[in-house]
Amino acid sequence: GESVGLHLPTLSVQEGDNSIINCAYSNSASDYFIWYKQESGKGPQFIIDIRSNMDKRQGQRVTVLLNKTVKHLSLQIAATQPGDSAVYFCAETLISSGSARQLTFGSGTQLTVLP
Amino acid sequence: DTGVSQNPRHKITKRGQNVTFRCDPISEHNRLYWYRQTLGQGPEFLTYFQNEAQLEKSRLLSDRFSAERPKGSFSTLEIQRTEQGDSAMYLCASSARQGARVRTDTQYFGPGTRLTVL
Repeated sequence: GESVGLHLPTLSVQEGDNSIINCAYSNSASDYFIWYKQESGKGPQFIIDIRSNMDKRQGQRVTVLLNKTVKHLSLQIAATQPGDSAVYFCAETLISSGSARQLTFGSGTQLTVLP
Repeated sequence: DTGVSQNPRHKITKRGQNVTFRCDPISEHNRLYWYRQTLGQGPEFLTYFQNEAQLEKSRLLSDRFSAERPKGSFSTLEIQRTEQGDSAMYLCASSARQGARVRTDTQYFGPGTRLTVL
């Protein structure tokens, strides 16, 4: 079946550097994408989302880019901090029908921030 | 705290026993979801409620699993005759319907209930 996948399972960055986490999705019908952060022993925490009618959205220190042509999603974290260390998941769904839809998650990228 | 809450946070049980988990969604949200997450994987959808109606069920939800949301507020997930393969984190999420004054569509997750079946 179709699913969301991630290019890299692990990513290590120096504190203060920028991080880029990538995600490839295969369901071209998906129109809503979310990035979640999950710390050990906790539930996924919403970071930022983007709808398919946009190609970029910025939040506080985070930016999500969507390239529908190649079905690629990325999360950029500026000035990465130790507290950013976690597993990051992208998730996709279809909401244009007006009904809630289940999220399809990838397997996640473990981000480690080095001192 | 106005986020999604789940109880218990941890549950250890013996194979064959029944277990029940509870989820209290964000108060403004009328949609509630259950997911299961195994180690190193992303959450997998189990079922979804809009108010008290269960509208979607995954094929992962075997006959041993049942979920309810009797008053459209909190929800329970029961697993009967637990098996070792049921060991996982069970996550609950909630979202608001379209047209609500709060942010819609985004699913907010609770801390999860970690189930260990011995």
